[in-house]
Amino acid sequence: NAGVMQNPRHLVRRRGQEARLRCSPMKGHSHVYWYRQLPEEGLKFMVYLQKENIIDESGMPKERFSAEFPKEGPSILRIQQVVRGDSAAYFCASSPRNRGIYEQYFGPGTRLTVT
Amino acid sequence: QKEVEQNSGPLSVPEGAIASLNCTYSDRGSQSFFWYRQYSGKSPELIMSIYSNGDKEDGRFTAQLNKASQYVSLLIRDSQPSDSATYLCAVTRPAGNKLTFGGGTRVLVKP
Repeated sequence: NAGVMQNPRHLVRRRGQEARLRCSPMKGHSHVYWYRQLPEEGLKFMVYLQKENIIDESGMPKERFSAEFPKEGPSILRIQQVVRGDSAAYFCASSPRNRGIYEQYFGPGTRLTVT
Repeated sequence: QKEVEQNSGPLSVPEGAIASLNCTYSDRGSQSFFWYRQYSGKSPELIMSIYSNGDKEDGRFTAQLNKASQYVSLLIRDSQPSDSATYLCAVTRPAGNKLTFGGGTRVLVKP
């Protein structure tokens, strides 16, 4: 059973470019969460999605950031016009969230560097 | 006041000893509690989940939850050098929603 998959693992973008981060949840998991870990800081929640629905986006910056989880394909976290402060590790987690199982399992992360 | 608080450490433990990690949370409505291990440069790895008051054991790990005191702890028995990592406490409210993490406790197990 493959774990949560994220790609790319490392992404370098110049200021002003767009970054697209992809996440495929574990098989059987229909709930996806995105978290960000800034250098020397803790993990912060960004957004929680189900297929075709955003459930909670309370942690998303108001501008430049968006997320989707289409009916087919991976979840995408999109950052437009990146700035140096966006440099961080972005982790995706998935959960089955059924039968009382609420554990979230993390993917390997995407390390974004903005130059 | 931070929502989830942990001592940042480092917690230095001799090999073979018990490591005791503590976590307090501020939201009395928190329903699910998790411990993750994170090695430097890696992603968080789920170690334990606990939902009700009391103890839960899994191998060398024991999680303890006291909702009245808003306190959750993790014991690591027979600590090994490979246990050296940062341990993250996380809570959700309600269950299944976003994880709120503490800042983590760095553990160093010395041979």
